[in-house]
Amino acid sequence: ETGVTQTPRHLVMGMTNKKSLKCEQHLGHNAMYWYKQSAKKPLELMFVYNFKEQTENNSVPSRFSPECPNSSHLFLHLHTLQPEDSALYLCASSQDRVSAGGETQYFGPGTRLLVL
Amino acid sequence: DQQVKQNSPSLSVQEGRISILNCDYTNSMFDYFLWYKKYPAEGPTFLISISSIKDKNEDGRFTVFLNKSAKHLSLHIVPSQPGDSAVYFCAASAPNTDKLIFGTGTRLQVFP
Repeated sequence: ETGVTQTPRHLVMGMTNKKSLKCEQHLGHNAMYWYKQSAKKPLELMFVYNFKEQTENNSVPSRFSPECPNSSHLFLHLHTLQPEDSALYLCASSQDRVSAGGETQYFGPGTRLLVL
Repeated sequence: DQQVKQNSPSLSVQEGRISILNCDYTNSMFDYFLWYKKYPAEGPTFLISISSIKDKNEDGRFTVFLNKSAKHLSLHIVPSQPGDSAVYFCAASAPNTDKLIFGTGTRLQVFP
């Protein structure tokens, strides 16, 4: 399998549930990203990881908890979410972080999340 | 405050004609710009980019123009094909940050 994969593709959860989103990249990249895309809004960067270290947290609420065990895998742990967190969550990777010339990012297909 | 703006939410163009998608930005520190294309149920895919030291970059049917004084970039697709129908996002980055700032997208429909 090549590129960036995300599971699950769709997720419905209640506000008291705990769930996790998974992202895997098969491109040998060093940087990985989580984005949120809400309806009628631009893609919004949430977190950046470079060589497993978090380099950017874009003021994301603590109910979103990222985890990057290695350069190929990225998780987003979700707990006590709100209905307004319903959105498309996209994972991306790049050879290097943006500040090191890694502007070209490769995106997964996304997880469409609905919080009831 | 939206730093990257795509003011046209949609565009409809006949096959074979030119499609011009526009993007404006407000941050004069941006030095690298990209266009991504997104089909339904897929993630965005990189299309073409341009550095602020250039004013034009071409790749096949796709050309990106950058006007720094106007803080404006555009994507030209010539000739347009039905397979080009998708949502197009412009994005920008500034030095020493790890953020790509995206616009809201323009939905392009190319009809026969």
